[in-house]
Amino acid sequence: RKEVEQDPGPFNVPEGATVAFNCTYSNSASQSFFWYRQDCRKEPKLLMSVYSSGNEDGRFTAQLNRASQYISLLIRDSKLSDSATYLCVVMRVNSGYALNFGKGTSLLVTP
Amino acid sequence: EPEVTQTPSHQVTQMGQEVILRCVPISNHLYFYWYRQILGQKVEFLVSFYNNEISEKSEIFDDQFSVERPDGSNFTLKIRSTKLEDSAMYFCASSEAGILNNSPLHFGNGTRLTVT
Repeated sequence: RKEVEQDPGPFNVPEGATVAFNCTYSNSASQSFFWYRQDCRKEPKLLMSVYSSGNEDGRFTAQLNRASQYISLLIRDSKLSDSATYLCVVMRVNSGYALNFGKGTSLLVTP
Repeated sequence: EPEVTQTPSHQVTQMGQEVILRCVPISNHLYFYWYRQILGQKVEFLVSFYNNEISEKSEIFDDQFSVERPDGSNFTLKIRSTKLEDSAMYFCASSEAGILNNSPLHFGNGTRLTVT
């Protein structure tokens, strides 16, 4: 089983739509969780950390369910500029320094 | 905003040759990392570096790979004898504190390595 699994998509949505991405992780001892964004052939950029109580940053809401080992990202009021690949990222267990990346979910927001 | 810089942006080399990929992390950052991404695949951890030594490495980071911080600013990744399967985008990253402190990683623009 892959350590971090995501639906690869692509998700094609119209501007203004709400879209949700899901992610599961295999190691129950994982401690830190993040969503990164990656534009085509560019470096990953941190979108937001994911906290146990759930957290929101503008149009973006992240949720964590430790019991189900499940992470989600909700994007409201999608913009054209949201088109990118969204990477679910989990800190490697027994590591203070390394991250495990999912393969990413591709989002295309259309006019 | 300070950024991580990597050179070159694209490196083409022949199989068996040595390559050195260079990175300048953000100046007040203490933790340094190399990741790679094969085209169409996920970002993979290679190595982390702190206090002038490797703190963790993955199974990908075998004896062909080495890292060095030769001076106060550069952080390099050397591949001793490149193989075709080393072709990938290599990302350098740095962070102010460790991941355990939720200190975000800042990635460089990457070096695309093509081994022919």
